[in-house]
Amino acid sequence: EPEVTQTPSHQVTQMGQEVILRCVPISNHLYFYWYRQILGQKVEFLVSFYNNEISEKSEIFDDQFSVERPDGSNFTLKIRSTKLEDSAMYFCASRPTSVLDEQYFGPGTRLTVT
Amino acid sequence: EDQVTQSPEALRLQEGESSSLNCSYTVSGLRGLFWYRQDPGKGPEFLFTLYSAGEEKEKERLKATLTKKESFLHITAPKPEDSATYLCAVKGFGNEKLTFGTGTRLTIIP
Repeated sequence: EPEVTQTPSHQVTQMGQEVILRCVPISNHLYFYWYRQILGQKVEFLVSFYNNEISEKSEIFDDQFSVERPDGSNFTLKIRSTKLEDSAMYFCASRPTSVLDEQYFGPGTRLTVT
Repeated sequence: EDQVTQSPEALRLQEGESSSLNCSYTVSGLRGLFWYRQDPGKGPEFLFTLYSAGEEKEKERLKATLTKKESFLHITAPKPEDSATYLCAVKGFGNEKLTFGTGTRLTIIP
């Protein structure tokens, strides 16, 4: 069964450093998403991406964040200058078509900012 | 602003003891309500989508129902492997985002 994959599984970085989190969505899916979950809290929406552009973003997704689909398979989230409060699990998700609404999530990348 | 409230926060059941989890929501135009299962340290695993009041979906020991204000996830004769956090999420018309609740942590005791 096709799955969303994410790398790395755990990333440790120092405050102020740039990080790139990588995702390979399910093949043939058209809509891509990033969410985050701070330990013990809700899963929170960050951004959605369709047809090579951002279709929706939350207030969390400020100028420090960017997304890119550099080729036909990868989808990345970049945080330019990490803060302590960026420490969280980051989940990538994908959705197949405009008709089906369910989003399929990857296993997550645990980001620890020290 | 879309809001999702789940109750109880945690539930411990004996194996075979059936129960229900609640998800109350407010959204301006419900496109869909979703149930996910999340194991510790893992990503949410899709279970069900419900679109309109009165709709029901079933999968093994789980059945999800929907009204205009809430959804229930009924667990019949649960097994220890059903232990997980169950998340409810909503999507409004015109939105891409899912708005999640805090989840119900379910523990099934053998």
